[in-house]
Amino acid sequence: KNEVEQSPQNLTAQEGEFITINCSYSVGISALHWLQQHPGGGIVSLFMLSSGKKKHGRLIATINIQEKHSSLHITASHPRDSAVYICAVSGSARQLTFGSGTQLTVLP
Amino acid sequence: NAGVMQNPRHLVRRRGQEARLRCSPMKGHSHVYWYRQLPEEGLKFMVYLQKENIIDESGMPKERFSAEFPKEGPSILRIQQVVRGDSAAYFCASSPKFAAEGETQYFGPGTRLLVL
Repeated sequence: KNEVEQSPQNLTAQEGEFITINCSYSVGISALHWLQQHPGGGIVSLFMLSSGKKKHGRLIATINIQEKHSSLHITASHPRDSAVYICAVSGSARQLTFGSGTQLTVLP
Repeated sequence: NAGVMQNPRHLVRRRGQEARLRCSPMKGHSHVYWYRQLPEEGLKFMVYLQKENIIDESGMPKERFSAEFPKEGPSILRIQQVVRGDSAAYFCASSPKFAAEGETQYFGPGTRLLVL
């Protein structure tokens, strides 16, 4: 069993839809990270959170430490949101352990 | 403030050659991480370095791979005697000084290594 599990693996949505990507982890962590990998391969850090909720524009990330679960929400999705979204965790060791990613496609 | 820089962006090597991948962290960042993304697979940790020190190399293959982060200059990931299975995207990330709750890591654009 992987330490970080994401679902779904693939997600297709219509423009404007509300999107949720889920992440569960099985280890103790100091922080959970959401990353976006563009079709060209570049990786951008979206959020780092250790509790509660963070919002940036149309993106919202939540974490429940007791349940070891996090969600990434995208409101009013747009085709430019199409990318791979990756959940990762960091603990006492500083490096990231990654989920397998969720391929999101938003259709116009 | 320039972001994390990696070069080359694309590297083609024949089996048995050496590959050198360079990473310049963001200004003021003293922590460097190398990650590898094999084709159709997720990202995997390789090595974590601070200036002149390897902190954790538990993700590095035991042979042919080495990394350094000298006092001056970029971090280098070196792969000797490359094989086809080394073909992958290699990402470098950097973060600022240690923070107990964790630090955001800033990723470079990656180096795509192709071994013929």
